[in-house]
Amino acid sequence: NAGVTQTPKFQVLKTGQSMTLQCAQDMNHNSMYWYRQDPGMGLRLIYYSASEGTTDKGEVPNGYNVSRLNKREFSLRLESAAPSQTSVYFCASSVSSGANVLTFGAGSRLTVL
Amino acid sequence: RKEVEQDPGPFNVPEGATVAFNCTYSNSASQSFFWYRQDCRKEPKLLMSVYSSGNEDGRFTAQLNRASQYISLLIRDSKLSDSATYLCVVLRPPAAGNKLTFGGGTRVLVKP
Repeated sequence: NAGVTQTPKFQVLKTGQSMTLQCAQDMNHNSMYWYRQDPGMGLRLIYYSASEGTTDKGEVPNGYNVSRLNKREFSLRLESAAPSQTSVYFCASSVSSGANVLTFGAGSRLTVL
Repeated sequence: RKEVEQDPGPFNVPEGATVAFNCTYSNSASQSFFWYRQDCRKEPKLLMSVYSSGNEDGRFTAQLNRASQYISLLIRDSKLSDSATYLCVVLRPPAAGNKLTFGGGTRVLVKP
């Protein structure tokens, strides 16, 4: 009963390096999301995918790209990491884009030096 | 002004006591409201939805005040296991993107 699985759990990067955060869900959900969480800021939406084959920008998309590889998988890529991208990243999914309940992955803690 | 605002706390609560806290939202056309719970260094999980008439789930009571644009969460008979951060979540209306917006969270510490 995995739900939403994201990898890696922890990562340390140097400024300018690139990396991809992976996310997969096994609940047959149509919509998937990437959030970042910073102290006092709440979760902010980076990108989302309402359904397989579509992606859209959220509140804070700059510096990120996403790929909805198939219905199960939604990856987040940092092409050239910056210290401002140090954060905890959460992937989430929902039955549909209008659904109210999100199921989150366990989070990925990223530090950019 | 933030779209969804919460008192960050912490609210230090003796075990067995009642604690209540609010969340204000700025968009009067917001559609739906929720409380999520987030344990330290864990992912958020849905605690309960908030209905117009108010609703209870065991020791937890949620209220919505549309006129004053806030929702509240009340925890009765607090347990040590209630220690967590409680996230207020508001669904934007369709004209504003129909997406969930999260508050910064209210931290609750229940102490023996």
